[in-house]
Amino acid sequence: EVQLQQSGPEVGRPGSSVKISCKASGYTFTDYVMNWVKQSPGQGLEWIGWIDPEYGSTDYAEKFKKKATLTADTSSNTAYIQLSSLTSEDTATYFCARSGYGSYLFDYWGQGVMVTVSS
Amino acid sequence: DIRMTQSPASLSASLGETVNIECLASEDIYSDLAWYQQKPGKSPQLLIYNANSLQNGVPSRFSGSGSGTQYSLKINSLQSEDVATYFCQQYNNYPWTFGGGTKLELK
Repeated sequence: EVQLQQSGPEVGRPGSSVKISCKASGYTFTDYVMNWVKQSPGQGLEWIGWIDPEYGSTDYAEKFKKKATLTADTSSNTAYIQLSSLTSEDTATYFCARSGYGSYLFDYWGQGVMVTVSS
Repeated sequence: DIRMTQSPASLSASLGETVNIECLASEDIYSDLAWYQQKPGKSPQLLIYNANSLQNGVPSRFSGSGSGTQYSLKINSLQSEDVATYFCQQYNNYPWTFGGGTKLELK
């Protein structure tokens, strides 16, 4: 069974950074791309970017290029997103979501991690 | 970026009713459109891809249609478990973008 298990809720001070993890199981980690999606409170969804775990290559939506850094550890089948220079605009739930190579469909999602930016 | 506009933003319907949700793209996305269902407190789940293909395991009462810039999701014979927010997503052009969502409630 494919599972994407994300880390727990985070609270960060304005200007600081947080790092969220997404541990994959039930499939070959390097056979799929991992995406990250932001959902602001009561709002819609925004695609942040993806990482190819096998090669470490990444692509980001322009809006998130200076905000998010995506990494992956193939030894632990875990993908990470680091959010830097936190502001209140970063308060949101962050999901990891799997997609196939050449497929831009998010077929499995993590449970989401709530990040709250507060002083 | 391609803008995806969903309507209505919220919808109230009765059990057994047929529901339609619309999604309008700001430019032609050549049927590169998916629909997701997000139940309260849960992560989204893929329902439909390529505008009209049903994801494995999704009940056949869900269907998608459309082309060009106009797409729709139809739910036949509404069930209580269909209460959720529905999002469309285009994957024709970077960055992938989502509609603002349609919240479906029971009347």
